[in-house]
Amino acid sequence: GAGVSQSPSNKVTEKGKDVELRCDPISGHTALYWYRQRLGQGLEFLIYFQGNSAPDKSGLPSDRFSAERTGESVSTLTIQRTQQEDSAVYLCASSLRVNTEAFFGQGTRLTVV
Amino acid sequence: AQTVTQSQPEMSVQEAETVTLSCTYDTSESNYYLFWYKQPPSRQMILVIRQEAYKQQNATENRFSVNFQKAAKSFSLKISDSQLGDTAMYFCALKAAGNKLTFGGGTRVLVKP
Repeated sequence: GAGVSQSPSNKVTEKGKDVELRCDPISGHTALYWYRQRLGQGLEFLIYFQGNSAPDKSGLPSDRFSAERTGESVSTLTIQRTQQEDSAVYLCASSLRVNTEAFFGQGTRLTVV
Repeated sequence: AQTVTQSQPEMSVQEAETVTLSCTYDTSESNYYLFWYKQPPSRQMILVIRQEAYKQQNATENRFSVNFQKAAKSFSLKISDSQLGDTAMYFCALKAAGNKLTFGGGTRVLVKP
């Protein structure tokens, strides 16, 4: 596709359930980023991929959070045993090179009830 | 480690006036790139302007311009002739070696009629 695609757009889940969030980056983009944004707040860095490897996972809040990327393409962010504090918008972005801008998806709004 | 700091949580400006948003950053890299992104209520992140650290000339995009002070590690954004559509969150971002993209906490700009 022409842009970064994230699915689902919205997800409501019960506390304790696992969720998977998907990001399809722009074709050919080597870098892929995940951020969390709580209502009215800034972008909290979670993890980024350069190719299929993750040079920096330092932003993952706990071991309930994990992410993978395959084929230098699609990435999945998994949250296990969701908690109410996980409720937020999860944004994905991709970038071609270090000297180019990152393009963002529309985000997935996660609500844990 | 790379960090980005935006010290102004909120700014308001009258339509047609000028507003300047502050951003400071820190990185040990000599080659890096700086960006300003806009996030309107629609949530879509939009690139406003970019600056290469090796260029001394300040970037300009229509009504948006930056004041890049490399020695001071400062990268401010000036919005001239503010319009109602400029109302949004503005994020300063830094990209350096390894393609990691780090954001500041954001500044909410409200343009008043």
